[in-house]
Amino acid sequence: QKEVEQDPGPLSVPEGAIVSLNCTYSNSAFQYFMWYRQYSRKGPELLMYTYSSGNKEDGRFTAQVDKSSKYISLFIRDSQPSDSATYLCVKKGNRGNTPLVFGKGTRLSVIA
Amino acid sequence: DTGVSQDPRHKITKRGQNVTFRCDPISEHNRLYWYRQTLGQGPEFLTYFQNEAQLEKSRLLSDRFSAERPKGSFSTLEIQRTEQGDSAMYLCASSLAGGRPEAFFGQGTRLTVV
Repeated sequence: QKEVEQDPGPLSVPEGAIVSLNCTYSNSAFQYFMWYRQYSRKGPELLMYTYSSGNKEDGRFTAQVDKSSKYISLFIRDSQPSDSATYLCVKKGNRGNTPLVFGKGTRLSVIA
Repeated sequence: DTGVSQDPRHKITKRGQNVTFRCDPISEHNRLYWYRQTLGQGPEFLTYFQNEAQLEKSRLLSDRFSAERPKGSFSTLEIQRTEQGDSAMYLCASSLAGGRPEAFFGQGTRLTVV
């Protein structure tokens, strides 16, 4: 079992829709939870990170972590064609030097 | 541009040849990571440096792979006797010890072995 499981999609939604992206993880040692966005043929860029359970909001994006069920979600409100990308669910341990562990990513297309 | 820089962006090589990639991290970042990403997969960790010391290597890093960071600044990743299975995007990332947990990625080097 991979440490981070993510539905690869592709997911296609109309412009303006609310998007829900989800992933699960298997190792409770992870403490930080992040979402990276990756456009085609580009490097990943950080969208947001959270340390604990609960919600964190940044503009149209909301990250939600439920440590009891090991479930992480990213919600995108009022989705735009520019949101079309692959969204990578990422975990990191509490020790500062532990590497990031990525899911496979979910490919999202927002259709105008 | 003060982000992570990787060179070259693309490399096509024949099977059996050696290739070397370079990464220049964000200047004040003391941690540097190499990842490999194949089509439809997320990045997979290869190795990590803190300053010039290579502190961790993944089992994905076979004997044909070697990475260096001689002065704790830029890093190189060399692949010897390339194989078709080495075709992938090689990503470099950097971060600051004691800072925020995320790493900042470069645009990657896309390697194609023919």
